[in-house]
Amino acid sequence: QQQVKQSPQSLIVQKGGISIINCAYENTAFDYFPWYQQFPGKGPALLIAIRPDVSEKKEGRFTISFNKSAKQFSLHIMDSQPGDSATYFCAARATSGTYKYIFGTGTRLKVLA
Amino acid sequence: NAGVTQTPKFQVLKTGQSMTLQCAQDMNHEYMSWYRQDPGMGLRLIHYSVGAGITDQGEVPNGYNVSRSTTEDFPLRLLSAAPSQTSVYFCASSYWIGTHNYGYTFGSGTRLTVV
Repeated sequence: QQQVKQSPQSLIVQKGGISIINCAYENTAFDYFPWYQQFPGKGPALLIAIRPDVSEKKEGRFTISFNKSAKQFSLHIMDSQPGDSATYFCAARATSGTYKYIFGTGTRLKVLA
Repeated sequence: NAGVTQTPKFQVLKTGQSMTLQCAQDMNHEYMSWYRQDPGMGLRLIHYSVGAGITDQGEVPNGYNVSRSTTEDFPLRLLSAAPSQTSVYFCASSYWIGTHNYGYTFGSGTRLTVV
């Protein structure tokens, strides 16, 4: 069973702080690693994604760091804001020909004002 | 541009009843899928489709059926509802440019309770 392990399950950060969410995968046949943000009552929305040929991708306050040898990737949210409070999912796409996505179990982030 | 539209938003079923969750997208995406979201379990793939007329099973297909007669629509059928199917269901679509498949666009979900 292909897995993506996500931690922590929940995270509380002060406004202006850095939020860090980690994911680890087992299957080396993953080739695309997106992060999704989900607000209560809404569907997940694509936040940022990375391919394994780069080690870091930054979009505004959101950065993905990717360590191919360790099979780990992480989401950093700089200058965290109360509006960032949401559940974050990492995912990995399998290259088995059918492009299935495997999701982590989610991290509930709360940013205190 | 509506994106991915799911109906209904909420549904209560009795054990043994059947129903269809509707999903439609207007982005001409080839790839569509159904996920269920349960606390502590993340998103688990039920069924997916890489194009009209083509469907396949995901991680948790038992008790569910799908069909894809058009590019736009991908309904999910619960054959005989069970309490274990109480969950939030998300439909998602995706597309390719060349050989690169891009991330999903998700619908807003259907919250299903089976009593």
